[in-house]
Amino acid sequence: DAKTTQPPSMDCAEGRAANLPCNHSTISGNEYVYWYRQIHSQGPQYIIHGLKNNETNEMASLIITEDRKSSTLILPHATLRDTAVYYCIVRGYSSASKIIFGSGTRLSIRP
Amino acid sequence: NAGVTQTPKFQVLKTGQSMTLQCAQDMNHNSMYWYRQDPGMGLRLIYYSASEGTTDKGEVPNGYNVSRLNKREFSLRLESAAPSQTSVYFCASSEASRGRVYGYTFGSGTRLTVV
Repeated sequence: DAKTTQPPSMDCAEGRAANLPCNHSTISGNEYVYWYRQIHSQGPQYIIHGLKNNETNEMASLIITEDRKSSTLILPHATLRDTAVYYCIVRGYSSASKIIFGSGTRLSIRP
Repeated sequence: NAGVTQTPKFQVLKTGQSMTLQCAQDMNHNSMYWYRQDPGMGLRLIYYSASEGTTDKGEVPNGYNVSRLNKREFSLRLESAAPSQTSVYFCASSEASRGRVYGYTFGSGTRLTVV
């Protein structure tokens, strides 16, 4: 599985868009980009995933560069409840493919 | 729909004691996983089961054993607990079939302290 690199911490003003970057320069053609977040000490929560096209759901948008070597998770209107550690993960599509977590980005939302 | 259920939620063990952490999912997922998370750290994969009847080692398997009892249940056993195994343990499940992938669903965790 490819490795990912994320900034250790970021902050964002409440109500503004939070843009979290991730580098995955060794990603292979059949690997997906996943984003999860962990609020305090709860179990990680799935946010979104994509292969090469940009994706959007009710929680966030995922922008993947054309060469697929990096991506950005966008929380369009950050709230205090979005304060969490955000993990960017690369994973193959088979059921045997496992998720390896890095250290993530600690996002702080300021009032 | 309960998702992934872990028991117990909290446990204190003495060094050398054994215990089994239980995990069950009701989403008919094929794959199940055990992770541990030490304070201030990311999650590390202990063992996983891609499908019923198979198990494989993850990043940190030493000191642990697993059993995929059936499609629903995946247990983690500590045969002789050590203080270094003090951690929060998370179970997860997922489904993936040819051409489609799905995210993991995590349980709420078991907080284990070994004294």
